[in-house]
Amino acid sequence: DVKVTQSSRYLVKRTGEKVFLECVQDMDHENMFWYRQDPGLGLRLIYFSYDVKMKEKGDIPEGYSVSREKKERFSLILESASTNQTSMYLCASSSLGGHLSAFFGQGTRLTVV
Amino acid sequence: SQKIEQNSEALNIQEGKTATLTCNYTNYSPAYLQWYRQDPGRGPVFLLLIRENEKEKRKERLKVTFDTTLKQSLFHITASQPADSATYLCALSITGGFKTIFGAGTRLFVKA
Repeated sequence: DVKVTQSSRYLVKRTGEKVFLECVQDMDHENMFWYRQDPGLGLRLIYFSYDVKMKEKGDIPEGYSVSREKKERFSLILESASTNQTSMYLCASSSLGGHLSAFFGQGTRLTVV
Repeated sequence: SQKIEQNSEALNIQEGKTATLTCNYTNYSPAYLQWYRQDPGRGPVFLLLIRENEKEKRKERLKVTFDTTLKQSLFHITASQPADSATYLCALSITGGFKTIFGAGTRLFVKA
């Protein structure tokens, strides 16, 4: 069974903390993505990567960075967490078709207090 | 600006009926349109993809239509079941697939 696994389901962090969200996929996919999902806003793309050590900004990259040192792992970093970064974070991966037929992880519900 | 609209109001239907969900878009010329299912507290699950030159696509009880003139996609679930209750998201992608916009989703409730 193919999988995209996010390291945490729920996370509570304090304002100003550096936060790491980890994502691992076992499908040997080239493309990986980080989204955030907020009520009424849909999924918004933060960053994506189409190859190891490659990264591209999405629509809302401010306050975030990413790392892709290995093909199967894509990390999202909140440099200094703020309350407006409280959200559901979703990792996804796909093969050569870009965002098409993406496989999503179970999500990480991050609360910044 | 590019915009996707899905009915924000929940759709309530009786078991066995056909559920029809709508996705409208403006200021966009997508090459692909996708539908995903999302259960509460879970990540979306890919259901169907339809290309701009395809009018209709089916998969088991699911049917998607794509009208590029009306700028609209309809998503049908026939013989609906309570297990079909979920939020359904549409997503539009331009050629190459790297620019994808997701709608906010429509919540479907199927009553037994």
